[in-house]
Amino acid sequence: GQNIDQPTEMTATEGAIVQINCTYQTSGFNGLFWYQQHAGEAPTFLSYNVLDGLEEKGRFSSFLSRSKGYSYLLLKELQMKDSASYLCAVRGDAGNMLTFGGGTRLMVKP
Amino acid sequence: EPEVTQTPSHQVTQMGQEVILRCVPISNHLYFYWYRQILGQKVEFLVSFYNNEISEKSEIFDDQFSVERPDGSNFTLKIRSTKLEDSAMYFCASIGGTTEAFFGQGTRLTVV
Repeated sequence: GQNIDQPTEMTATEGAIVQINCTYQTSGFNGLFWYQQHAGEAPTFLSYNVLDGLEEKGRFSSFLSRSKGYSYLLLKELQMKDSASYLCAVRGDAGNMLTFGGGTRLMVKP
Repeated sequence: EPEVTQTPSHQVTQMGQEVILRCVPISNHLYFYWYRQILGQKVEFLVSFYNNEISEKSEIFDDQFSVERPDGSNFTLKIRSTKLEDSAMYFCASIGGTTEAFFGQGTRLTVV
């Protein structure tokens, strides 16, 4: 089966750094994705990890440890517009389909 | 920048009616998907489509659902007899190869 866990909610302060964790147990692994979703909108792609290590992309970084079934998304220099849900998704064995976690709703406060 | 487009953005239908949700994937993409998201819940996989046939489907995708690619550009999801619990955002997505999935803006389906 597929099981992807991430915290439901987090709060952080503008200008700070926040780390959103994701753990997964899936049948097969073919990459882990992070998406951002504002309320009522579509998920938009942030990052992709398939090998262990850190991928950096501007203010956003994502880390993967396949042996631990663990990833995190790091957001630096938080801005108010970063308030959104962050979705961890795993691509398993077949069909390129993504299995999503429940999402972490991040609230950035002044 | 190429994008996935979906129509309509919002559909209200009576219980028991048929609805067709439409999607135009990115033109050179090969894999197409439908996902749904019930309000306040996680994004759930419905079905994947490759080479003009279903390649994978979830338990949600029962006999009431069907997908078609009637021409070279459109990709449709049909729900034959809608139920109240079908109310959700329906997202279409496409992938070109082994890259990320691009999502459309979604169709909000409300069954009354």
